[in-house]
Amino acid sequence: GENVEQHPSTLSVQEGDSAVIKCTYSDSASNYFPWYKQELGKRPQLIIDIRSNVGEKKDQRIAVTLNKTAKHFSLHITETQPEDSAVYFCAASNNQFYFGTGTSLTVIP
Amino acid sequence: EAGVVQSPRYKIIEKKQPVAFWCNPISGHNTLYWYLQNLGQGPELLIRYENEEAVDDSQLPKDRFSAERLKGVDSTLKIQPAELGDSAVYLCASSFSGANVLTFGAGSRLTVL
Repeated sequence: GENVEQHPSTLSVQEGDSAVIKCTYSDSASNYFPWYKQELGKRPQLIIDIRSNVGEKKDQRIAVTLNKTAKHFSLHITETQPEDSAVYFCAASNNQFYFGTGTSLTVIP
Repeated sequence: EAGVVQSPRYKIIEKKQPVAFWCNPISGHNTLYWYLQNLGQGPELLIRYENEEAVDDSQLPKDRFSAERLKGVDSTLKIQPAELGDSAVYLCASSFSGANVLTFGAGSRLTVL
């Protein structure tokens, strides 16, 4: 089955700086890669996703890049704000969703 | 649109007692998932339904866990008997198909004493 690894497990940045979270996957059949944000005690919420036929996607301060050859994808958050503080999960999917172990992001005001 | 609805939100039981969780997916979503989430961890799949058929239940501990989705809409996840290690959040999610956007419910937090 698919194996998704996510790094780092914790990340602290100063407000206004950028944050990058990286994930690798093992199954070349995976073709959909979403990112979820989960605030304490709340449900995971989709923030951005990318499909295997696209190399990069951007939505305001959030961007995701995908390297199919190397089987890795990354989340980039620019101009971070305190409200970006949360746990972020990556996932890889081919009919089945496999999640990374999460990155706890803290944005320091 | 109501989103994915789960109940109860919180449940506290003593070990060896039974417990059941209910999920109503987004209208029209044919795929339904039950995930287990331990504190500080990512969601782990328990079972996936395509309509009323369980297409992947390989991670479901079948000695004590059971699930059903009789009419291909809402679903129930049961644990009997519960053990201390079952304390976790049980998340339900749904999508139009396996490769489309996955929407989570708010989860059911189980505490086993």
